[in-house]
Amino acid sequence: EAEVAQSPRYKITEKSQAVAFWCDPISGHATLYWYRQILGQGPELLVQFQDESVVDDSQLPKDRFSAERLKGVDSTLKIQPAELGDSAMYLCASSLDWGTWQETQYFGPGTRLLVL
Amino acid sequence: GQQLNQSPQSMFIQEGEDVSMNCTSSSIFNTWLWYKQDPGEGPVLLIALYKAGELTSNGRLTAQFGITRKDSFLNISASIPSDVGIYFCAGQGYQFYFGTGTSLTVIP
Repeated sequence: EAEVAQSPRYKITEKSQAVAFWCDPISGHATLYWYRQILGQGPELLVQFQDESVVDDSQLPKDRFSAERLKGVDSTLKIQPAELGDSAMYLCASSLDWGTWQETQYFGPGTRLLVL
Repeated sequence: GQQLNQSPQSMFIQEGEDVSMNCTSSSIFNTWLWYKQDPGEGPVLLIALYKAGELTSNGRLTAQFGITRKDSFLNISASIPSDVGIYFCAGQGYQFYFGTGTSLTVIP
């Protein structure tokens, strides 16, 4: 069964360090999403890609966060420098094609980040 | 971002009981999705709904897309211990919006 892959699963870093997360969506899925989930809350969208283009990054803290999907397949989310408040679960998801407006979204296992 | 109103926030039930939870929004949605999330894992899709009034089942799970397109509910029948987890709804408008989650505890 096709799955969204993410790595690493866990990351511990010190504040002011740089961290990077990787995501490989389900094969053939044009739309890729990065979410941040704080314990006890639902996921909140950070950035959405359609192929290699950013569709929505309005909630991405651009002073420290960046995301890319250069070839329209896998994607990297980076935080530099990390702050204590960035400790959270970072989830990647994918769907077939945002343009259909009736999408089914599948999540990866997530990367749990702890900033010390 | 917008978070949907999901209730109840938590449930403690005896094994074998039925469970019902719902999600409401001030906006209309094209799609409603229901997920289950275990601690430290990503959400797993349970049921997808695409049409107002649609009723869909997946084993012991049944979900409905509200007629107004602003709400959805999920029922779990004859709960078992492995149903424990957090259940999230998600509605698709301009983007996906998520509920605040329902934490389910099943007492054997």
